[in-house]
Amino acid sequence: DTAVSQTPKYLVTQMGNDKSIKCEQNLGHDTMYWYKQDSKKFLKIMFSYNNKELIINETVPNRFSPKSPDKAHLNLHINSLELGDSAVYFCASSQGGPQETQYFGPGTRLLVL
Amino acid sequence: DAKTTQPPSMDCAEGRAANLPCNHSTISGNEYVYWYRQIHSQGPQYIIHGLKNNETNEMASLIITEDRKSSTLILPHATLRDTAVYYCIVRAPNSGYSTLTFGKGTMLLVSP
Repeated sequence: DTAVSQTPKYLVTQMGNDKSIKCEQNLGHDTMYWYKQDSKKFLKIMFSYNNKELIINETVPNRFSPKSPDKAHLNLHINSLELGDSAVYFCASSQGGPQETQYFGPGTRLLVL
Repeated sequence: DAKTTQPPSMDCAEGRAANLPCNHSTISGNEYVYWYRQIHSQGPQYIIHGLKNNETNEMASLIITEDRKSSTLILPHATLRDTAVYYCIVRAPNSGYSTLTFGKGTMLLVSP
């Protein structure tokens, strides 16, 4: 069984569109994350949720809005997509606590044309 | 979290041990050393972590120097599937729900 899954795997869209990426984890973890990996391969945190509550929000444009309907899901909605949003987005989860190991999803490859 | 320094790339022959170094000279007494790797087109994968004692699991061994200023990740018998970018990350255990800060990592190429 897949521990952390993301849909879609690939997303190609036009500038200005609104799109969503979904993430689900079946590990029973309390904390979920969204990371962005740009073309230079740097992996950076965007958001972190614990028990459906936002706990970390890095400097991300407010066009990005995460939503956690329950602690097993953390979706990422992006409004008014821009060329610079093209990247690979990874979802991750952890149990929380001082030595938590993060488990990552396979990534969603977003290309904005 | 303390900063880490890793070589940008390394090569290893298949079947040989791969030793990946990491410098973390500003590490604090309560900070752990974590290793993750990212195989091409996949999400990062946890490998191992430790505080000051050497650690071993089914994937790798972690050797931390006595002064804790550096560490080495050892893949005892590298295979082609171990070709990946390896990230060394230092983080305090009381970081709460903090996130991982990924650097540039080491690109390990395992060749036949």
